Amino acid sequence: AQRVTQPEKLLSVFKGAPVELKCNYSYSGSPELFWYVQYSRQRLQLLLRHISRESIKGFTADLNKGETSFHLKKPFAQEEDSAMYYCALSSYQGGSEKLVFGKGTKLTVNP
Amino acid sequence: DAEITQSPRHKITETGRQVTLACHQTWNHNNMFWYRQDLGHGLRLIHYSYGVHDTNKGEVSDGYSVSRSNTEDLPLTLESAASSQTSVYFCASSEVTGGYEQYFGPGTRLTVT
Repeated sequence: AQRVTQPEKLLSVFKGAPVELKCNYSYSGSPELFWYVQYSRQRLQLLLRHISRESIKGFTADLNKGETSFHLKKPFAQEEDSAMYYCALSSYQGGSEKLVFGKGTKLTVNP
Repeated sequence: DAEITQSPRHKITETGRQVTLACHQTWNHNNMFWYRQDLGHGLRLIHYSYGVHDTNKGEVSDGYSVSRSNTEDLPLTLESAASSQTSVYFCASSEVTGGYEQYFGPGTRLTVT
C-alpha cells in the first residue's frame, strides 16, 4: 500500500540555520513526489515536485529511491518559511490517480 | 483569473443536520477532490471525481457524498452531521492525471455541535 511518512510533527530552528524536513514513502511503482506548503491562514500550494528538479524559495528536495526518501532542505532558514509542510505521493492504481499526503510537519523559524 | 472557491468559509451546525459544502473552479479542470484536514492526521481524501457524472470514494468517505453534474462544481454533502466531522475541508482540482499539481481552495471550517 502507498504510504507517506513525515516523522516530525514539529520542527523548530533558528533563522539562518539549515533545515531538513524528512519524508519517506512506500510505493511499489515509480513514485512522483511533491512538497506542498500551507502558510498561516492560507491555502495549500505546491512548493516543488521531484520531476522538475527545481529550487523554489531556496528549498530543494532530492528523490532517493534506495532510501525511499524525499527530504526537503534549505541551507539558511528564514522566518517567512514558518509554515506547515506536507509531503505527497502521486499514487496511480486501477486507473485512478490520487495524492497521498503525509501528516505534515509544522516548521517554526525563530528570530 | 481562474480560481477555485469554497463556500461557506465557516459553518456551525448541529448533530444530525444535513450540510452541503460548495466547491467551484473556473479552470475547466476535469479532476476535483475533497479532503479533510485534522491535527495529527494531515490531509485525508474523502471523495474525488475525474469528470462529469464520475465520483469515487476516498480514504474516509463514510458519512459523505458528492455529485458532479457539471465540470465546475463538486459539492460535498454530509448526510447527517456528526461531531467527528468537525474539521477543515479543502477542495482541490487538477488538469489531468499524471503527477500534475493540484490547486486548493481556501478551505471551509466546519463545526458540528
